[in-house]
Amino acid sequence: SQTIHQWPATLVQPVGSPLSLECTVEGTSNPNLYWYRQAAGRGLQLLFYSVGIGQISSEVPQNLSASRPQDRQFILSSKKLLLSDSGFYLCAWSVAGQGGRPPLHFGNGTRLTVT
Amino acid sequence: AQSVAQPEDQVNVAEGNPLTVKCTYSVSGNPYLFWYVQYPNRGLQFLLKYITGDNLVKGSYGFEAEFNKSQTSFHLKKPSALVSDSALYFCAVRPGRDDSWGKFQFGAGTQVVVTP
Repeated sequence: SQTIHQWPATLVQPVGSPLSLECTVEGTSNPNLYWYRQAAGRGLQLLFYSVGIGQISSEVPQNLSASRPQDRQFILSSKKLLLSDSGFYLCAWSVAGQGGRPPLHFGNGTRLTVT
Repeated sequence: AQSVAQPEDQVNVAEGNPLTVKCTYSVSGNPYLFWYVQYPNRGLQFLLKYITGDNLVKGSYGFEAEFNKSQTSFHLKKPSALVSDSALYFCAVRPGRDDSWGKFQFGAGTQVVVTP
């Protein structure tokens, strides 16, 4: 069965420090991968998605970047965190090649607090 | 452009009573519709989806949803709510296209509170 791992679960970082959040998927190949941010426990904002190694699409201009160095690894980064980067970050994956049919499967998220 | 509306910010229901969480959508062409549940400090869990076929879709944990094309709705239902159903529920829509990757559009979420 497929599983998604996301870490760390919580993170407190000072303003101006770098960020690296990691997500890995097991039990599937060539998944579509996504990074979402959830603010105030509600609305989900798509930050990045990837349909293959090295293929990253950004949905919103921001202080963050994403990379996909391996097929099942997705990394969210920042060189210098801002206070506004605080939030709940969710990684997700879906089966590729089936258009809009497959659901998203989410990790357990990372609670980032920038102080 | 696609959109999803969850008109209720919160739904309160007594344990054992039926639960309904409303969702309406707007999308060009046929929609793919999904429901997710989120418990505190956790990721979203997939409950069920409508792709095509029977308008009544059954999912996990006793939930079901009814697709109504004329009303562009996809309401989530459970005949008898449990206290453990208290959580945040999200409706999502995707364009019903199989020829390309499609983006999910999520609703704002509905907080369900089930009281004993």
